[in-house]
Amino acid sequence: KQEVTQIPAALSVPEGENLVLNCSFTDSAIYNLQWFRQDPGKGLTSLLLIQSSQREQTSGRLNASLDKSSGRSTLYIAASQPGDSATYLCAVRLGGQNFVFGPGTRLSVLP
Amino acid sequence: DTAVSQTPKYLVTQMGNDKSIKCEQNLGHDTMYWYKQDSKKFLKIMFSYNNKELIINETVPNRFSPKSPDKAHLNLHINSLELGDSAVYFCASSSPGQEKLNTIYFGEGSWLTVV
Repeated sequence: KQEVTQIPAALSVPEGENLVLNCSFTDSAIYNLQWFRQDPGKGLTSLLLIQSSQREQTSGRLNASLDKSSGRSTLYIAASQPGDSATYLCAVRLGGQNFVFGPGTRLSVLP
Repeated sequence: DTAVSQTPKYLVTQMGNDKSIKCEQNLGHDTMYWYKQDSKKFLKIMFSYNNKELIINETVPNRFSPKSPDKAHLNLHINSLELGDSAVYFCASSSPGQEKLNTIYFGEGSWLTVV
């Protein structure tokens, strides 16, 4: 059974720092991996999607990498801002349209 | 335009009551989901429908019954509510089309509190 974990569970950094969030999954038979952002009281917003054949994706200050064989993905956030404060979740897509989510990393960027 | 909308956003009800949460998507997607996010923020799939057909049914009490009148709607009915049902319920949709379009879109959640 696929399990997804994320470390750290919470992270607090001063504004301007670069940071890395980690996601691990136990079964490498995935179709893709996505990173999401969840703001308090809100739903999830997709940030980046990496197909199983890809190694990384970039969007603005965000860069996500995927190492399928080792079951790991990282989300790199450059020059963090207070507006980046949110919970970040990764999810892997399995066959049959099933998505399995990690527990999330709660990020606080202090001004 | 809201892509995935669910109602109500907040629901406070007593134990033993029956309640429904409605979800609609205007993205033309084939697949819709219900996820439950508990107090520890774990997001777990409950059900998935593809074109009105149930394709994923995780270990969920049979007090929970999804209904999909058409592929744009997936409602969740809960009978005999219990305290442990208190959580945030998220509706979502995705399309199995081209891979790069195969992302999942979420509604804003329905906060259910059972007292």
